[in-house]
Amino acid sequence: DQQVKQNSPSLSVQEGRISILNCDYTNSMFDYFLWYKKYPAEGPTFLISISSIKDKNEDGRFTVFLNKSAKHLSLHIVPSQPGDSAVYFCAASAANQAGTALIFGKGTTLSVSS
Amino acid sequence: DSGVTQTPKHLITATGQRVTLRCSPRSGDLSVYWYQQSLDQGLQFLIHYYNGEERAKGNILERFSAQQFPDLHSELNLSSLELGDSALYFCASSVVRTGSTEAFFGQGTRLTVV
Repeated sequence: DQQVKQNSPSLSVQEGRISILNCDYTNSMFDYFLWYKKYPAEGPTFLISISSIKDKNEDGRFTVFLNKSAKHLSLHIVPSQPGDSAVYFCAASAANQAGTALIFGKGTTLSVSS
Repeated sequence: DSGVTQTPKHLITATGQRVTLRCSPRSGDLSVYWYQQSLDQGLQFLIHYYNGEERAKGNILERFSAQQFPDLHSELNLSSLELGDSALYFCASSVVRTGSTEAFFGQGTRLTVV
């Protein structure tokens, strides 16, 4: 069963507009959430994270929102730029539990057109 | 450059064969994670090692095994290879034993089984 779900395989946005990528999780033990960005032929690179004690974390153009009651998080990119075109993975873990690992969703391909 | 090195970058082998993928973590990182990315799939967690000891297992087949050596590099051994094992294999490292921080990924090894 998939513990981390990204239900939108793809998203197309115009340059300058907001991109919103969504992620749902089922495991109530997850308390640390991350977004990774992946370009073709490269490994995933860390973008932003949020702990369950917060509901928002911002880093420049990137903001992650966490809704624990709904087991839902989202990544907002404002303004979107063509260089943001990539696959975005949502990941979650049960932080501070030994033997845990980051569990990833299947990813959302973001295309930003100029 | 994430600081995580994976070799080889590409590998083509025949069904039934055995291969070894190698990963050198970032300097100072004690945790190594292995992930598999197949077509249309997200990053599937395989196994986690911390300072030489196995800490967690994910969806790893019995034909697959891994180890982490005293110098902290890790190897993933894949045997009796099948066509369905063709995938990108990523290694990631982090400094901690738990899932409370981001992991840094290598560029991956693309395995093609023919």
